[in-house]
Amino acid sequence: DTEVTQTPKHLVMGMTNKKSLKCEQHMGHRAMYWYKQKAKKPPELMFVYSYEKLSINESVPSRFSPECPNSSLLNLHLHALQPEDSALYLCASGRTINEKLFFGSGTQLSVL
Amino acid sequence: QQQVKQSPQSLIVQKGGISIINCAYENTAFDYFPWYQQFPGKGPALLIAIRPDVSEKKEGRFTISFNKSAKQFSLHIMDSQPGDSATYFCAVYNQGGKLIFGQGTELSVKP
Repeated sequence: DTEVTQTPKHLVMGMTNKKSLKCEQHMGHRAMYWYKQKAKKPPELMFVYSYEKLSINESVPSRFSPECPNSSLLNLHLHALQPEDSALYLCASGRTINEKLFFGSGTQLSVL
Repeated sequence: QQQVKQSPQSLIVQKGGISIINCAYENTAFDYFPWYQQFPGKGPALLIAIRPDVSEKKEGRFTISFNKSAKQFSLHIMDSQPGDSATYFCAVYNQGGKLIFGQGTELSVKP
């Protein structure tokens, strides 16, 4: 299994909603990542987990809250988002940090 | 902040032609230079990567050329096909171990 699975594929939420994005991999990877990608722009790093511990937070606003419950799962909890947060949210994993990354297909998020 | 300059921003090539995309970087903390391919609505997929112990790596129609002294590497797509139409990103690892992407090149291969 060489896939990174993200759910949901699409999400529409209001600014007062609370929602969560989910990412799963079964490749035994110990590094997991959240990236944000705007249309026609490169992916921008948000968070990095290494061995289930948060190792990098790229000064992301607190309305985004990551969680790594175990080595296969990564969540991104969303609360009180702004319309400018609308983007494609990508999860990625690697065997460890600095190893090649495998990306999921992303969650296309729209904040109304 | 690590700078990764990718060019051109967009590229139109006829079927069967050669597509060339260039990438220049300032510094890197990890000698591993990947190219990612991204189709609309999908996440980036690793296409090909090189370590600087070699100056060129070829996988099928895709070739990376690397010039360490100039801090540049490029992607060549031979016999370009309409199915190659996608956005291509180069990337480098910075001092923090973060993968930093170039701005992307939107490739369109015309039949």
